[in-house]
Amino acid sequence: AQSVTQLGSHVSVSEGALVLLRCNYSSSVPPYLFWYVQYPNQGLQLLLKYTSAATLVKGINGFEAEFKKSETSFHLTKPSAHMSDAAEYFCAVSDRGGAQKLVFGQGTRLTINP
Amino acid sequence: GAVVSQHPSWVICKSGTSVKIECRSLDFQATTMFWYRQFPKQSLMLMATSNEGSKATYEQGVEKDKFLINHASLTLSTLTVTSAHPEDSSFYICSARAHGPNTEAFFGQGTRLTVV
Repeated sequence: AQSVTQLGSHVSVSEGALVLLRCNYSSSVPPYLFWYVQYPNQGLQLLLKYTSAATLVKGINGFEAEFKKSETSFHLTKPSAHMSDAAEYFCAVSDRGGAQKLVFGQGTRLTINP
Repeated sequence: GAVVSQHPSWVICKSGTSVKIECRSLDFQATTMFWYRQFPKQSLMLMATSNEGSKATYEQGVEKDKFLINHASLTLSTLTVTSAHPEDSSFYICSARAHGPNTEAFFGQGTRLTVV
């Protein structure tokens, strides 16, 4: 079974500050890992994904994440927060075969202070 | 990226009635579609996985007779909430994937269902 834990249901940073959203996973097989963003009353948009190539993955909107197997982590970062980054962020894991069903973390609401 | 359209975006229905939600892949053939449910301020919970032309596979605890899923074509899946009750009120989101390994799942914009 796979699971994802996002540390911190709510993160607040100042505009221009570093964004760090934490995600730890549990998987009995090598996983695929994802970060999604959700704006209010909308579906999910893929920010980036790890599928076993480079461990440092760059995504859209300046976000990146690093896969650390030893720490079972896949934390999301952005060097400088922008007001438009305010949203809900979900980390997800899937296996590599079959339907590749996504298992989501609890989500982290990111607030950007002016 | 590919487009997945979900309709309606919101719906209000009376308790005891049924409501159908459509999920369409507009520019690719979706061999697999997923239906999720999201309660306010919570994560997405997978309800079922459907493959075109096959019966849906439901997650544990999801009533298949209440949440009817049809995936009759490569571009359309429907979720019908039968005999809806207020506790079925939620945000329902679909996603769709094309055939093949490592293909991305694209999400619809979601449907907010309110049962009164």
